[in-house]
Amino acid sequence: DAGVIQSPRHEVTEMGQEVTLRCKPISGHDYLFWYRQTMMRGLELLIYFNNNVPIDDSGMPEDRFSAKMPNASFSTLKIQPSEPRDSAVYFCASSLTPPATNEKLFFGSGTQLSVL
Amino acid sequence: KQEVTQIPAALSVPEGENLVLNCSFTDSAIYNLQWFRQDPGKGLTSLLLIQSSQREQTSGRLNASLDKSSGRSTLYIAASQPGDSATYLCAAYNFNKFYFGSGTKLNVKP
Repeated sequence: DAGVIQSPRHEVTEMGQEVTLRCKPISGHDYLFWYRQTMMRGLELLIYFNNNVPIDDSGMPEDRFSAKMPNASFSTLKIQPSEPRDSAVYFCASSLTPPATNEKLFFGSGTQLSVL
Repeated sequence: KQEVTQIPAALSVPEGENLVLNCSFTDSAIYNLQWFRQDPGKGLTSLLLIQSSQREQTSGRLNASLDKSSGRSTLYIAASQPGDSATYLCAAYNFNKFYFGSGTKLNVKP
């Protein structure tokens, strides 16, 4: 398996623009997580899905952020409108169910977002 | 809410030295604890996972231990190499979430 695949690797946009980040989890994994990493706050969980259903979105910072998982092999994280403080590395991760046992968490390479 | 702390934030050692990275967590009701490695500009790679019923896990030169009662985990790296230079993060799983520490940045000098 190619692992968790994220695109784009880098995104530079201007304040106010819409940004869409994409993720393809490992085939067969039914948990998908979106994280944000910054120097100041470290790694923060934004939202996670189980079997394509959002389970916990309490980490989504504002209504400007939304995430979808239309099928088991694809998820998007959208920011509209984007702001400079959204600049960070966004990671997608997936695991088999349940993650509470012996299943490791697998991360994608991340999307480096810069909002000017 | 679970709080995970890693000390020190950065560590520099000469090649060949054995070293220990520390991770502490405030809520001992965890299901498992994972140690990750993150190279610059890359994602996190899971190194070791210790279930709550286990005391330690080993993989090659890495050994991770878990003491739930004291809320601590350690990652032991034997005979460190320059290729071990990276940031190491621990994550505790409970309340249906992974809670990450801020990491220890390790530099192994040749």
